[in-house]
Amino acid sequence: AQSVAQPEDQVNVAEGNPLTVKCTYSVSGNPYLFWYVQYPNRGLQFLLKYITGDNLVKGSYGFEAEFNKSQTSFHLKKPSALVSDSALYFCAVRKLGTDKLIFGTGTRLQVFP
Amino acid sequence: GAVVSQHPSRVICKSGTSVKIECRSLDFQATTMFWYRQFPKQSLMLMATSNEGSKATYEQGVEKDKFLINHASLTLSTLTVTSAHPEDSSFYICSARDLEAKNIQYFGAGTRLSVL
Repeated sequence: AQSVAQPEDQVNVAEGNPLTVKCTYSVSGNPYLFWYVQYPNRGLQFLLKYITGDNLVKGSYGFEAEFNKSQTSFHLKKPSALVSDSALYFCAVRKLGTDKLIFGTGTRLQVFP
Repeated sequence: GAVVSQHPSRVICKSGTSVKIECRSLDFQATTMFWYRQFPKQSLMLMATSNEGSKATYEQGVEKDKFLINHASLTLSTLTVTSAHPEDSSFYICSARDLEAKNIQYFGAGTRLSVL
């Protein structure tokens, strides 16, 4: 079965420091991987995706993610965190043969000034 | 990116009433839309896949007679929570798949339903 794991419920980072939000996946075949961000009482905003090609994917708001096939990971990163990056981040994988997305449990990112 | 509008953003209703939530793709056509439910501090759970011009496909455990979905056009899907009860209180989010960027789902802002 396909699944996504986000091992950290919360990540705390000081403003200006690099941040990493972890995601591992379990899929058969080539994965379609996504990161979304959710602000309080809002829907999800698309950040970036990996379908094929370069392992390092650049997305919105300065975020990037690195696809690592051997470690089955797709960690979200940003070189310098902003307080405004504080939100809930979801990793997702597309279920094989469908349009459905399977979401991880989410990681709350808190950036302190 | 593409814009998905969801309305209303918040609704409070009495137990036993029905509530309709609209999901519109504003600048693209969406043959497929999705309805999710999110409980506090939890992930999104897919409820159903809404297909334009045909019946919705419901996930296991979701009552189709309870959560009526209509996808009458390429830009509009509606979710009606029939005879709502307090346990139906939740955050409901829709998404639409952009045919042009077909691997990306764009999400509405969500509807918080509170059933008294």
